[in-house]
Amino acid sequence: QVQLVQSGAEVKKPGASVKVSCKASGYTFTSYGISWVRQAPGQGLEWMGWISAYNGNTNYAQKLQGRVTMTTDTSTSTAYMELRSLRSDDTAVYYCARDSTGLNYFDYWGQGTLVTVSS
Amino acid sequence: AIRMTQSPSSFSASTGDRVTITCRASQGISSYLAWYQQKPGKAPKLLIYAASTLQSGVPSRFSGSGSGTDFTLTISCLQSEDFATYYCQQYYSYPGTFGQGTKVEIK
Repeated sequence: QVQLVQSGAEVKKPGASVKVSCKASGYTFTSYGISWVRQAPGQGLEWMGWISAYNGNTNYAQKLQGRVTMTTDTSTSTAYMELRSLRSDDTAVYYCARDSTGLNYFDYWGQGTLVTVSS
Repeated sequence: AIRMTQSPSSFSASTGDRVTITCRASQGISSYLAWYQQKPGKAPKLLIYAASTLQSGVPSRFSGSGSGTDFTLTISCLQSEDFATYYCQQYYSYPGTFGQGTKVEIK
């Protein structure tokens, strides 16, 4: 069965960076991409960007350009999302989700990773 | 970016009720619309894609309709496990955007 398992919760200070991992199993990793979606406390869902696991192509949300980097390691079927220059409004649950094209619906999701940014 | 507006933002209903949630896009998105269910502390779960196609394993009491700018999610007979927040998402153009959510609460 398809599973996306994310790394654990993180607490970071403003200005720091965080890197969240998402390990995929149950399907051919390179046949799909991974989108990252975040949800601030009590708020809705915000798409952050997408990476192709086939060739590493990326597409980032404009508001995060320059602060976010998405990568994959095909040897371990793992996707990574790094967010830099963290601010308090980056406090959110970060989800990875399977996404074949970068502009698609999300059929499988990770369990979420809470990132708290606080001084 | 395309703005997705759901209505209502929340409402109360009883088990057995037929409920409808509406999602409106700020411009036409054909049928590139998905619906998700999210329970507290959990990841969203895909219910419907392509506006009306039921995701595998989702109960048939869920249905979706619409195209262009106006869409609906209907739950024909509300069950206790359906009390949750529902989101629509357009994937017609970048960036994919979500509605603000509709919370279905127990009356």
